[in-house]
Amino acid sequence: DVKVTQSSRYLVKRTGEKVFLECVQDMDHENMFWYRQDPGLGLRLIYFSYDVKMKEKGDIPEGYSVSREKKERFSLILESASTNQTSMYLCASSLGSFKGNSGNTIYFGEGSWLTVV
Amino acid sequence: GQQLNQSPQSMFIQEGEDVSMNCTSSSIFNTWLWYKQDPGEGPVLLIALYKAGELTSNGRLTAQFGITRKDSFLNISASIPSDVGIYFCAGQYAGGTSYGKLTFGQGTILTVHP
Repeated sequence: DVKVTQSSRYLVKRTGEKVFLECVQDMDHENMFWYRQDPGLGLRLIYFSYDVKMKEKGDIPEGYSVSREKKERFSLILESASTNQTSMYLCASSLGSFKGNSGNTIYFGEGSWLTVV
Repeated sequence: GQQLNQSPQSMFIQEGEDVSMNCTSSSIFNTWLWYKQDPGEGPVLLIALYKAGELTSNGRLTAQFGITRKDSFLNISASIPSDVGIYFCAGQYAGGTSYGKLTFGQGTILTVHP
């Protein structure tokens, strides 16, 4: 079974703090993703990575950065947390399109609930 | 960008009833995926479809990849209370370089009354 593990399930941070959300996958997947999910807005892609040290902006990258130093680990960084970044954050991974269409299947972690006060 | 319309937005049904929901896109997709999300948890993959016309079952769940490659449906037969949750469709756009990015529907909220 694919396992995507997010290090923190619940976090409360203060405005202006630097926040790290960590994600690890154990299936040697090429692609990793960070989404945020808000009521009425669905799943929105923040950043994704298709290889070590490679990153691409998603639909809402402002206020976020990412790091992928190792294939299995993808970190989301909030440089200076703000209250409008209170949300559920979901990490996901997929094998990679070079494996055919089945490589597009994304597997999600359990989610990290971040509250910024 | 690609658009995905998922319907219905919500459903209230009695235990034992069958459920059907669908997604349509403005573009051709080469992959359709269906997920279920329980409150406070991440989405869990239910069914993956990779070929036009493909019909796949997973227990009481059946999903199909539309022939036009622009739609997919999910059926749940004989619903039970634990089917409650949000169901998402997702698709992989067939054109361009997407690096595996998916387009997601807005979700169908399913409520099952015992």
